[in-house]
Amino acid sequence: GNSVTQMEGPVTLSEEAFLTINCTYTATGYPSLFWYVQYPGEGLQLLLKATKADDKGSNKGFEATYRKETTSFHLEKGSVQVSDSAVYFCALLYNQGGKLIFGQGTELSVKP
Amino acid sequence: NAGVTQTPKFRILKIGQSMTLQCTQDMNHNYMYWYRQDPGMGLKLIYYSVGAGITDKGEVPNGYNVSRSTTEDFPLRLELAAPSQTSVYFCASSYSTGGETQYFGPGTRLLVL
Repeated sequence: GNSVTQMEGPVTLSEEAFLTINCTYTATGYPSLFWYVQYPGEGLQLLLKATKADDKGSNKGFEATYRKETTSFHLEKGSVQVSDSAVYFCALLYNQGGKLIFGQGTELSVKP
Repeated sequence: NAGVTQTPKFRILKIGQSMTLQCTQDMNHNYMYWYRQDPGMGLKLIYYSVGAGITDKGEVPNGYNVSRSTTEDFPLRLELAAPSQTSVYFCASSYSTGGETQYFGPGTRLLVL
C-alpha cells in the first residue's frame, strides 16, 4: 500500500546550520508530494509541494525535489533559524478522494 | 477569510459521554476531512467528504460519525467516548483533489478520562 517514511527526530541544530530531513515513499502511480509544518500549538500549514517527478518545491528558504528514481522527497534548508523550530510532516496524495498519507513527523529544534 | 475554524479548542470527556466537534470553512471548498493526531505519530484520516450529502470512511472511522448537510460545515460526532479517542483532531478542506493543497484548522484537543 501507500506509505511515507521520515527520518526519526528530534533533530537539534544550531542557528545557521544546514538542514536535511529525509522522506521516502511507497506508492502506486504518480502521487503528489507535500511538506507540511506544524508550529507549537497550531494546525498544519503547507510548506511546499511537488506534483510530478523532478519538480522542485520551494518556500521560505526550504526546498525539496521529487525524485521518482529513489522515491524520495527530502527537505533541505541552507541556514536554519530559531523560528524554524517546529514539526515537519512529509505527505503524499493519491487520487482517491484526495486522501493524504502522512509520515510520522520530524521535530526540529534550532538553538541560538 | 477565517479559513477553517474548529470548536472547541479543548475538551475533557468522561468515558461513555458523547460530543460533537465542529468544523466550518469559508473558502467554498468541496472536499473536507477529519484527521486525528496521536503523540509522535502522523495524522490518520477518520472520515472525508467530497461534497454536501456525501461522506466516506477513512483509515480509522470506528467510534465516529460525520454528516455534511452544507458545503461549509463538517461536524464529527463521538457517540460513546473511550480513552483510545484521546487525541488532537484536525479538520481540513480543499477545493478538489489531484495535488490541491489541504487547509487545516487549529485543532481540537480531546481528553477522555
